[in-house]
Amino acid sequence: AQTVTQSQPEMSVQEAETVTLSCTYDTSESDYYLFWYKQPPSRQMILVIRQEAYKQQNATENRFSVNFQKAAKSFSLKISDSQLGDAAMYFCAYRTVIQGAQKLVFGQGTRLTINP
Amino acid sequence: DAGVTQSPTHLIKTRGQQVTLRCSPKSGHDTVSWYQQALGQGPQFIFQYYEEEERQRGNFPDRFSGHQFPNYSSELNVNALLLGDSALYLCASSFSKTRAVYFGPGTRLTVT
Repeated sequence: AQTVTQSQPEMSVQEAETVTLSCTYDTSESDYYLFWYKQPPSRQMILVIRQEAYKQQNATENRFSVNFQKAAKSFSLKISDSQLGDAAMYFCAYRTVIQGAQKLVFGQGTRLTINP
Repeated sequence: DAGVTQSPTHLIKTRGQQVTLRCSPKSGHDTVSWYQQALGQGPQFIFQYYEEEERQRGNFPDRFSGHQFPNYSSELNVNALLLGDSALYLCASSFSKTRAVYFGPGTRLTVT
């Protein structure tokens, strides 16, 4: 079974600085998707960025980028120019498909605090 | 274009009672998944519905059941509530031909 591990329960960063959140996963599949979701206090789970395993190029969405190391099964999220609105829980997730049904396997989350 | 909606927002129930949570998927989506998120944890997959049938189930007991209607909306039912069922229940919708998954705001269930 696939597992996702986020080893940093909490992280903090100064506003305008850069922060990296770590994620490792375990799978025997060769083709899969990885995601980072943001969950602010409002509870809405918001997709931040996604990476297809067959693509070697790291995904980028504005201030958010990933460092995808397939051999190491590592998928870290880098947030540049941190803003107060980035404060939230961040979850790394692995997408698996079983009998046609896709499901997401989530890590435990990292709470990110932005210091003004 | 409305996103995924869930009702109610909050719910308080007593042990042993039954509860029904509701979800309307994003317009154009035909697949609904339910997740349970305990406090301080990541969401756990409960099950997925497609074409009004349960297509896959996570490691949850039969007390958890669901239904999908012809308009693709879905219900999650939990019988014989336990204190440990207290959690945020998230509904996620997707279109069967794509990989994008959108989450609703969740229903906070408290069992006393």
